[in-house]
Amino acid sequence: EIVLTQSPGTLSLSPGERATLSCRASQSVSSSYLAWYQQIPGQAPRLLIYGASSRATGIPDRFSGSGSGTDFTLTISRLEPEDFAVYYCQQCGTSPLVTFGQGTRLEIK
Amino acid sequence: EVQLLESGGGLVQPGGSLRRSCAASGFSFSNYAMSWVRQAPGKGLEWVSTISASGGSTYYADSVKGRFTISRDNSNNTLYLQMNSLRAEDTAIYYCAKGRSGGRVTTAMDVWGQGTTVTVSS
Repeated sequence: EIVLTQSPGTLSLSPGERATLSCRASQSVSSSYLAWYQQIPGQAPRLLIYGASSRATGIPDRFSGSGSGTDFTLTISRLEPEDFAVYYCQQCGTSPLVTFGQGTRLEIK
Repeated sequence: EVQLLESGGGLVQPGGSLRRSCAASGFSFSNYAMSWVRQAPGKGLEWVSTISASGGSTYYADSVKGRFTISRDNSNNTLYLQMNSLRAEDTAIYYCAKGRSGGRVTTAMDVWGQGTTVTVSS
């Protein structure tokens, strides 16, 4: 069973700064099947990145994804106030069919 | 507008049953895999189940296998989750979600319902 471990658990930054979030898999994941989601408290998750590096429809270009194998990264180049939320990575394709990381909380410093 | 509208949440006693529905609109429902994802209070996201576009293939998390059944009615653009033998640990917000990539079950989820709460308590 693939386990996704996200780090850090909480990231404290200021608007305008750069955020780097990590997602490490317990075994190799195909880049095609790695996604990132944003969840604002009280709202449903929103797809940000699929295929490890492709932005979903309507996602600003300050969001970017990279990585391969077991190490993946979500980068937010310049934080806007609306970016402070919880971020989850997700893999699909290996039993179990879908796995989420435990999440990284991005909070305002 | 692509939309998923959920219904069927509520309070149920341990051991009881509940059926969740998710009505889809704004896209060709029968062409996409669909999933259920839940979130326990204060916790992260947990995948529950996925069904292929045709409904011919279904997948479950170990935590719900044998108790939950996912199904779909492509003629009425509706996804279902039948939940039996409910436990306190099934208490969560349940979201339905649309697969991004056509009929593939191995795909990100690009549209989510608003989520509704299921509470299992006596």
